Amino acid sequence: GQQVMQIPQYQHVQEGEDFTTYCNSSTTLSNIQWYKQRPGGHPVFLIQLVKSGEVKKQKRLTFQFGEAKKNSSLHITATQTTDVGTYFCAGPPDSNYQLIWGAGTKLIIKP
Amino acid sequence: EAQVTQNPRYLITVTGKKLTVTCSQNMNHEYMSWYRQDPGLGLRQIYYSMNVEVTDKGDVPEGYKVSRKEKRNFPLILESPSPNQTSLYFCASSQNRAYEQYFGPGTRLTVT
Repeated sequence: GQQVMQIPQYQHVQEGEDFTTYCNSSTTLSNIQWYKQRPGGHPVFLIQLVKSGEVKKQKRLTFQFGEAKKNSSLHITATQTTDVGTYFCAGPPDSNYQLIWGAGTKLIIKP
Repeated sequence: EAQVTQNPRYLITVTGKKLTVTCSQNMNHEYMSWYRQDPGLGLRQIYYSMNVEVTDKGDVPEGYKVSRKEKRNFPLILESPSPNQTSLYFCASSQNRAYEQYFGPGTRLTVT
């Protein structure tokens, strides 16, 4: 079936290091969305990308949507403790379909 | 304030005792859905509703029921809970199933 693979499952970083999570879909997506879930919280929408090759930035976060609209990445520059949480990607194969979710990448800041 | 509310937030129950988790949104959203979240498995959709009186199965519907009698409410019903339904449950709503989802705070259910 249609699925979105998200890697890595966990990433441990020192505060100040960069973090990247990747999503690869088995099918073309009409858009890609990113959500953040803080520990003990609920997923919160971060951003949506729609166009092939689109790049968007939110402060230290950079989101990319691949040319083929099958992959995406989220890169965080110089991580801070406030970045801790699990990041999910999700996208629909077309606008008349449900979101397909990645399993999430948990960002852990090493003490 | 635009929000999705869920109740209860925490529930411990025993096998076979029927329970309902309520979900309500105040954003006039057409689309609502239920997810369960288990470690390492991400978010899996249980049921969704495109509008009032229209519901459909998601990826893991077994053992669950839903109803959508009013636009704002979408309760999740477990007729006979079992231990494998111990999980964290989220309700979500949106204008369209393919776009930004607004999640409730979650309900942590333990079935013993």
